[in-house]
Amino acid sequence: EIVLTQSPATLSLSPGERATLSCGASQSVPKYLAWYQQKPGQPPRLLIYDSSNTATGIPARFSGRGSGTDFTLTISSLEPEDSAVYYCQQRTNWQYTFGQGTKLEIK
Amino acid sequence: QVQLVESGGGVVQPGRSLRLSCVASGFSFRTYDMHWVRQAPGKGLEWVAVVSNDGSNEYSADFVKGRFTISRDNSRNALYLQMNSLRGEDTAVYYCVKERLYGDFDYWGRGTLVTVSS
Repeated sequence: EIVLTQSPATLSLSPGERATLSCGASQSVPKYLAWYQQKPGQPPRLLIYDSSNTATGIPARFSGRGSGTDFTLTISSLEPEDSAVYYCQQRTNWQYTFGQGTKLEIK
Repeated sequence: QVQLVESGGGVVQPGRSLRLSCVASGFSFRTYDMHWVRQAPGKGLEWVAVVSNDGSNEYSADFVKGRFTISRDNSRNALYLQMNSLRGEDTAVYYCVKERLYGDFDYWGRGTLVTVSS
């Protein structure tokens, strides 16, 4: 099983700042690396798929990059509504795993 | 629009069984692989199981193998999760999830809460 490790666990930034969230894999991951945003009491929402493609309806300030074992989600200019927990997720050989999440707080 | 509506959750004693259902609408259900993903209270997301679009293949996480079975009925646009030998650590919100195309999840239901407690 591929283990995904996200860092940092918690991030506290101000509106307008840039957020960089990391996701490291225990083995090389094919391109099926996705990012989700989850707000309290809501199901997750797909932000990024195939490492760098933005999902439908997602603001342009969200971007993803990476390959192999190192992946990054960047939020270019934070808005108050970006406060949430962010998860990375991969699929390999019909096994799917999530990272443990990064909690992003907007000051 | 795409809707996924789960049902069947509740409080159940350890060792007992429960069957979750999910009814889908707004897309061609028979075209897509479907999943169950769970989230224990205050914890992260945990993938449970997947069934292929035609129901011919099923895969599950190691922690549920032999206890949980995923299935679907394409004539009813329905997804199921049969959960047997339930344990306290199975307590979670269970989400019905549509796979987009290649391993990610583009639509999620609101979830149904399963509480395993004596």
